[in-house]
Amino acid sequence: AAGVIQSPRHLIKEKRETATLKCYPIPRHDTVYWYQQGPGQDPQFLISFYEKMQSDKGSIPDRFSAQQFSDYHSELNMSSLELGDSALYFCASSALALNTGELFFGEGSRLTVL
Amino acid sequence: GENVEQHPSTLSVQEGDSAVIKCTYSDSASNYFPWYKQELGKGPQLIIDIRSNVGEKKDQRIAVTLNKTAKHFSLHITETQPEDSAVYFCAASKGYNTDKLIFGTGTRLQVFP
Repeated sequence: AAGVIQSPRHLIKEKRETATLKCYPIPRHDTVYWYQQGPGQDPQFLISFYEKMQSDKGSIPDRFSAQQFSDYHSELNMSSLELGDSALYFCASSALALNTGELFFGEGSRLTVL
Repeated sequence: GENVEQHPSTLSVQEGDSAVIKCTYSDSASNYFPWYKQELGKGPQLIIDIRSNVGEKKDQRIAVTLNKTAKHFSLHITETQPEDSAVYFCAASKGYNTDKLIFGTGTRLQVFP
């Protein structure tokens, strides 16, 4: 079965650079969530989109922005990177039609800021 | 907002023993409680979930119990195996499909052969 696809899997950036992470949800899933997981930490909710509109916002820094496109894939844009942005970034997707609340997670993108 | 607490943070058991992980939540509107297993360098994988209209659910060696009055739920793994070693996260949400999950702080389970 198709899963959530994230790219790139690994990314190394310098401080103050920008980075873009991409997420391709499971086919026919209409909701995308972004989470940030620091070393030894639990995943922290950043932002979510339903049908291309922002549906909820968590602890996402103002330096970060995200959007969901017409094909339902999503991109997380991070600017003015700081050392503390080094983390695993997970995307998850769900489908309103399933009405289960279950989120399916990708394998994550590991961002290292030097 | 919702706050989920989880303990213990680490748990070591002998192969074949049982493991229990407990979580409490704060928002009485939460009604969906999944458990995720995360292996090193991988994304969280759903292993079992429970909704507020059910008190217990079992799937082979894994079971989850929910006490909605006390706002706590637990994961029980019986006959543990070395491949059960991972980090386990509990989570809570209001259960409708666009609602985010709030995670607990995780439990690192080590099963020794």
